[in-house]
Amino acid sequence: QVQLQESGPGLVKPSQTLSLSCTVSGGSIGSGSYFWTWIRQPAGKGLEWIGRIHASGSTNYNPSLKSRVSISVGTSKTQFSLKLSSVTAADTAVYYCVTQSYYSDSGHAFDVWGQGTVVAVSS
Amino acid sequence: QTVVTQEPSLTVSPGGTVTLTCASSTGAVTSGYYPNWFQQKPGQAPRLLIYSANNKHSWTPARFSGSLLGGKAALTLSGVQPEDEAEYYCLLYSGGGWVFGGGTKLTVL
Repeated sequence: QVQLQESGPGLVKPSQTLSLSCTVSGGSIGSGSYFWTWIRQPAGKGLEWIGRIHASGSTNYNPSLKSRVSISVGTSKTQFSLKLSSVTAADTAVYYCVTQSYYSDSGHAFDVWGQGTVVAVSS
Repeated sequence: QTVVTQEPSLTVSPGGTVTLTCASSTGAVTSGYYPNWFQQKPGQAPRLLIYSANNKHSWTPARFSGSLLGGKAALTLSGVQPEDEAEYYCLLYSGGGWVFGGGTKLTVL
């Protein structure tokens, strides 16, 4: 069973780059059956899909964030990372790493979530 | 960009049945939108209930079911329990990416 754990700074200054990592255990980032995803949630608000990376290296990003976001897989293949540049207070949120599993007979399931990590953007 | 719309709030009595819906600004929701439904309680990460419109995960209680209904994705709770009080989010695949609905606050009263 795949498990995910986010890590990274809890405080980032405005205009700087937010960097988070997600450690994957119990599964392989190299598996073609998964997309490795980032989702965020500002306090008291709804969820926002940020983007995803596949084992092949292909990425897809939310159009509203595309110019500032980058998702990559670490060289150890046990972590994937999120970078969000030029942050503002609007980027303050709980950030979740999530596994999007693909089942050939039944489609896509966002079935494994990390516990989430709070990132505040403030000077 | 696609806008996904859910009822902001619903109230149901214990033991009752309630249906939450999820609509897309691009038109009728079909199986190709792969609707996912999540339950989120305060202070917790969301938990998957339904994927690809009507598939339950291994942990999904039997009283939860998903469907496509009248051009929307739907989540039906039958025999509602007090512990079902939560925020519910739908997620749709559209335009090469994924878009969440704004969430439905379900009150069990």
